[in-house]
Amino acid sequence: DVQMTQSPSSLSASVGDRVTITCRASQSISNYLHWYQQKPGKAPSLLIYGASSLQSGVPSRFSGSGSGTDFTLTISSLQPEDFATYYCQHSYSTPFTFGPGTKVDIK
Amino acid sequence: QVQLKESGPGLVKPSETLSLTCTVSGGSIRGYYWSWIRQPPGKGLEWIGYIYYNGDTNYNPSLESRVTISLDISNSQFSLKLRSVTAADTAMYYCARVEYSGNWYTRFFDYWGQGSLVTVSS
Repeated sequence: DVQMTQSPSSLSASVGDRVTITCRASQSISNYLHWYQQKPGKAPSLLIYGASSLQSGVPSRFSGSGSGTDFTLTISSLQPEDFATYYCQHSYSTPFTFGPGTKVDIK
Repeated sequence: QVQLKESGPGLVKPSETLSLTCTVSGGSIRGYYWSWIRQPPGKGLEWIGYIYYNGDTNYNPSLESRVTISLDISNSQFSLKLRSVTAADTAMYYCARVEYSGNWYTRFFDYWGQGSLVTVSS
C-alpha cells in the first residue's frame, strides 16, 4: 500500500498569512494526489485534484503543486473560513489512502 | 446538483452486521463509481471500497473479508455491509462519488454525503 504522511500535523496562523502544507507519498504516485478540506462536524470537501487542478467553486487562494512523492497545498492569504483540517489522498492504486491530516487553527 | 445521503442504524452490537444505505439524487448513478469512507471519532479517513454501476467492486484489503458493497440502480442507492463488527468499527461513515479526470488514475471524491455515525456497543 502507498502510505501518505503530512506535515505539519497542526499549525497556528493568522488571517492573511500564507500557509503551506506538505504531503509525502511512500513511493512515486505521479500527480495522482488530491486535497480535501474538512470543517468540524462536516464531510470533507474536494479542493484540488490531480495535484494542481482547482475544483470548481474553490477560491483561487488555494493552490497545489508537486509530482512524484512530494506535494504541497498552499493557501495564499488565509481567510477565517479556512480554519479546518486538510487531508491529502492518493489514487495511484487501491487501496486509496489518505494522509493523517493537518489542522489549521487560529493563532 | 448531486446529493448523497446515508441512512441506517446508529447503534450496532458487537459481532453483528453494520448496514448502511446511500441514496443518490440530482444525478444518475450510471457511469460512476460509488464509494464508502469512514472516520473514527477524532481520527483520519479510511477508504472502505467502491462499486461501479455495473456491479464491479474493489475493497480495502484491510476490510475485504468483512465487507460487501452492493447497488440498487432502480432506486439510485448503494449499500454497505460490514460483518462481525467490533468497537474499532465505531466511526462516521461517508458515502461519496468517485470522479476521474483525464485518465483512470486521477480518481477523487467529488461529492460526499453528510455522514452517518455508527457506534458499536452492547
